[in-house]
Amino acid sequence: ETGVTQTPRHLVMGMTNKKSLKCEQHLGHNAMYWYKQSAKKPLELMFVYNFKEQTENNSVPSRFSPECPNSSHLFLHLHTLQPEDSALYLCASSQEDSANEQFFGPGTRLTVL
Amino acid sequence: GENVEQHPSTLSVQEGDSAVIKCTYSDSASNYFPWYKQELGKRPQLIIDIRSNVGEKKDQRIAVTLNKTAKHFSLHITETQPEDSAVYFCAASLSSGSARQLTFGSGTQLTVLP
Repeated sequence: ETGVTQTPRHLVMGMTNKKSLKCEQHLGHNAMYWYKQSAKKPLELMFVYNFKEQTENNSVPSRFSPECPNSSHLFLHLHTLQPEDSALYLCASSQEDSANEQFFGPGTRLTVL
Repeated sequence: GENVEQHPSTLSVQEGDSAVIKCTYSDSASNYFPWYKQELGKRPQLIIDIRSNVGEKKDQRIAVTLNKTAKHFSLHITETQPEDSAVYFCAASLSSGSARQLTFGSGTQLTVLP
């Protein structure tokens, strides 16, 4: 599969569950991002990874924990979430020092009960 | 940090008419301004971008203008078609190290009426 892929596409979890979102990019990019998209709100940048190192976390609550094992894979580990965390979580990648366009994945629609 | 305001939040136009969406930004050091289109249930996709060393850029029916002094930029779509109906997001960024942080506007729901 080409581009940026995300799994699962839909996730329903209870407040006490632990789950992980996965993102994979097949574009040879060196930067990856997690965004949160809630209804009627701007896309919010959560985490930035460049060359596998986290460069920004934008004050995201610790119940969200990112992991970037290599430049092609990005995870978002979730635990003890709140209902207000329900949103579309989008992954993106880009090749920095180049065109800078960020390519988005299809997103994971998360519902926290 | 950067703050991006986008207007209007909704816009309806007749097919064939033009549509204009406007954004303002707060950080005068921002130097990259992309526009993304997000169709219902799909991922955001870049449609055009502009850098701070350019005042205007055009790609077929789409154009973007940038006024650095006033810190605002606009998206212009001419001869609109029903397939232009989508949510459009503007963004502004400053390269931070070697990765860009995009700050997005709140989006404009564009509806093109046939």
